[in-house]
Amino acid sequence: GNSVTQMEGPVTLSEEAFLTINCTYTATGYPSLFWYVQYPGEGLQLLLKATKADDKGSNKGFEATYRKETTSFHLEKGSVQVSDSAVYFCSHTGGFKTIFGAGTRLFVKA
Amino acid sequence: NAGVTQTPKFQVLKTGQSMTLQCAQDMNHEYMSWYRQDPGMGLRLIHYSVGAGITDQGEVPNGYNVSRSTTEDFPLRLLSAAPSQTSVYFCASSYLASGGANTGELFFGEGSRLTVL
Repeated sequence: GNSVTQMEGPVTLSEEAFLTINCTYTATGYPSLFWYVQYPGEGLQLLLKATKADDKGSNKGFEATYRKETTSFHLEKGSVQVSDSAVYFCSHTGGFKTIFGAGTRLFVKA
Repeated sequence: NAGVTQTPKFQVLKTGQSMTLQCAQDMNHEYMSWYRQDPGMGLRLIHYSVGAGITDQGEVPNGYNVSRSTTEDFPLRLLSAAPSQTSVYFCASSYLASGGANTGELFFGEGSRLTVL
């Protein structure tokens, strides 16, 4: 069935470190792929998206590339800040259902 | 600039009680949905709607009812609460692309934390 698998957290980094959060998916057809971010006490916010193979989504210094051959959509950022501390969710949408991964908590230390 | 508004933010129920979680959006989105968020499990889809009068089940619909009488509102009803329904509930909406396809770009409310004793 359809699913999304993310690397387990928490991930703890120092400020200005490089971030990678892995995400792989299983799906029928060619879903759109998304990363959402959740700050404490808030709902999820769309961070970036990609709708077809080889598309790169980017926003606020974060990037992710839709890799159909490896069914992956890894999130990267070159230099994290304390304000990036949050929970990150990978998801895909096929039809009218969006499937989310379990989320990866990121802590960034000053 | 309200976006998606959920009420109440917190609720404590006893087993067997009923209640309704309210969700309203002011963006004229056709698509609305309810998720529950549990530790280590991400978000799981309960029910969704693609327009007034149209609803369908998600991954975990048992124990929940929904209806959609207007574009703006999408309430979630628990008819007989159980401890397994203790969770944080999120309402989310999105617009549909031309032709009715789901864009998947969800706008979330701030969540409703429900505890069932």
